Amino acid sequence: DSGVTQTPKHLITATGQRVTLRCSPRSGDLSVYWYQQSLDQGLQFLIQYYNGEERAKGNILERFSAQQFPDLHSELNLSSLELGDSALYFCASSVEWTGTAPPYGYTFGSGTRLTVV
Amino acid sequence: GIQVEQSPPDLILQEGANSTLRCNFSDSVNNLQWFHQNPWGQLINLFYIPSGTKQNGRLSATTVATERYSLLYISSSQTTDSGVYFCAVDASGGSYIPTFGRGTSLIVHP
Repeated sequence: DSGVTQTPKHLITATGQRVTLRCSPRSGDLSVYWYQQSLDQGLQFLIQYYNGEERAKGNILERFSAQQFPDLHSELNLSSLELGDSALYFCASSVEWTGTAPPYGYTFGSGTRLTVV
Repeated sequence: GIQVEQSPPDLILQEGANSTLRCNFSDSVNNLQWFHQNPWGQLINLFYIPSGTKQNGRLSATTVATERYSLLYISSSQTTDSGVYFCAVDASGGSYIPTFGRGTSLIVHP
């Protein structure tokens, strides 16, 4: 157990639907990162939150959104799902990011496998 | 953005063999990490190694930041070493968000 908890582990849904993926970071970590892993694109960074605030954005589609709550858990919302959104979605957390030194101890959850049919 | 290239893309070994995986990056970096993704999809951080050499059991890693590459050594490989090995870097002056290479897929046969 890495300490980063993602639910659900598997999700099958139809095109056009909306889903929510949940992530609880490792205890003490304030930063949460979301990644999408697909066969053709590899591991792509989507978005980062630090202590409730959006910190950085990557290749995140407009149909996707995320937030981090006061208890530091984060949710990734995927809407108007397409077949191409089928992928493994990972959440990672890291120790406090001060902005002047890089974080370390990047820990991944076990992922949510999303299948859009 | 920074480019990360890993080689070889695929590697097949017999148990007990040694191997070297390489990661080249196109710009100076704040941080470099090696990860192992097991066949069940779990990503495990192996090393945080922006420079120098580190060892952990049968695994060791060396990063030569001035020449923009890192090497991951696996000695006396075991079937449990199978999976995909990723190198991830974040560029100097950037936002400290790791950019991942495409990985090296390793299969170790008994």
